[in-house]
Amino acid sequence: NAGVTQTPKFQVLKTGQSMTLQCAQDMNHEYMSWYRQDPGMGLRLIHYSVGAGITDQGEVPNGYNVSRSTTEDFPLRLLSAAPSQTSVYFCASSYGPGRTYEQYFGPGTRLTVT
Amino acid sequence: AQSVTQLGSHVSVSEGALVLLRCNYSSSVPPYLFWYVQYPNQGLQLLLKYTSAATLVKGINGFEAEFKKSETSFHLTKPSAHMSDAAEYFCAVSDPGANSKLTFGKGITLSVRP
Repeated sequence: NAGVTQTPKFQVLKTGQSMTLQCAQDMNHEYMSWYRQDPGMGLRLIHYSVGAGITDQGEVPNGYNVSRSTTEDFPLRLLSAAPSQTSVYFCASSYGPGRTYEQYFGPGTRLTVT
Repeated sequence: AQSVTQLGSHVSVSEGALVLLRCNYSSSVPPYLFWYVQYPNQGLQLLLKYTSAATLVKGINGFEAEFKKSETSFHLTKPSAHMSDAAEYFCAVSDPGANSKLTFGKGITLSVRP
């Protein structure tokens, strides 16, 4: 079991560029989420999904898009990168209701926007 | 809306001393509560969780936490700190059944002095 994997580990973008952060899990989890981590602010939820084809916004969704076409993958798209999106991004997954409740986190992607 | 308060951003203890990291939450329904640990440049690892069973929860690495509904608290303790405990610790809350949506505190950095 690889668990939750994220690529790339590091990325530098120029303002206005677009990119996709990849996330995959091999635990057959129904739920997947994206968080961003900023110093002194903890982790904040960007978008989440409760199953293939179902996504919803979290606390800080502006500037980000997601889709979930398969159970395994949950990519995060930055359409036009801004310096305010410089952060560490974590993908997480968990079982659906009635199972163990904790989220499993990937190793993170460190993004710098110049 | 849920919220988590972790007072202070940094705690320093001597090796062998008691570790106490405080967490208070606000939730309109009985919550699920989690403590995660993050070592430098790594993802988040679950230490322990409360999901409405026993109020005293034991986790990995000798940590435990007690859910106190009357105080809306879920403080993390360890009787004797080790150098390897130096890390950042996050308290998080979710609604039961909303496994995909965690609300995190801002985190506390634990330093352990020799």
